[in-house]
Amino acid sequence: QQPVQSPQAVILREGEDAVINCSSSKALYSVHWYRQKHGEAPVFLMILLKGGEQKGHDKISASFNEKKQQSSLYLTASQLSYSGTYFCGTGSDNYGQNFVFGPGTRLSVLP
Amino acid sequence: NAGVTQTPKFQVLKTGQSMTLQCAQDMNHEYMSWYRQDPGMGLRLIHYSVGAGITDQGEVPNGYNVSRSTTEDFPLRLLSAAPSQTSVYFCASSREGRKGGQPQHFGDGTRLSIL
Repeated sequence: QQPVQSPQAVILREGEDAVINCSSSKALYSVHWYRQKHGEAPVFLMILLKGGEQKGHDKISASFNEKKQQSSLYLTASQLSYSGTYFCGTGSDNYGQNFVFGPGTRLSVLP
Repeated sequence: NAGVTQTPKFQVLKTGQSMTLQCAQDMNHEYMSWYRQDPGMGLRLIHYSVGAGITDQGEVPNGYNVSRSTTEDFPLRLLSAAPSQTSVYFCASSREGRKGGQPQHFGDGTRLSIL
């Protein structure tokens, strides 16, 4: 079953922060985050595994709450290059069973 | 350093025609998959393979066939094209066949229109 992402779309000014949420009705083993720019392939951002960890690089970080079956992606001090559609992908085990992507959140960063 | 290569990049077909979308990776990844992307739907898994000779169905397999005779190649066949198959198709690969913990590398996509 496809995870739910919120919001569907968000518009920011450069330097503002954003949070994108991903939730599932199923128990999760992992959450993947990808960013896709218009007309291009999705690009991997990070993976969070069961264990409630938080990861980040540069000004993009994410958390995973396995008990709530949800993950959040945090974009701090957004840059124009952050614009694109962000997808979460959820997996219920380590062997690729039932791995599904959410519908995406479109992020637009304006100057 | 090619990564995942998809061909063709664009294709227009007539209803009822068949064709094969090619996907090749040079990273020696065991796991490969095909997705279709439609507006507002995200990426939906069509078929996947955990290694040469092993394939399985994803969320939306009807109308598509796959085979995996080598580690490098994972072609997707449309048996009898229908307008509902108009979409952007992405091939992806990852290490060790365990998607839970491995990032997927995507090809540039094939934009397919069925008239």
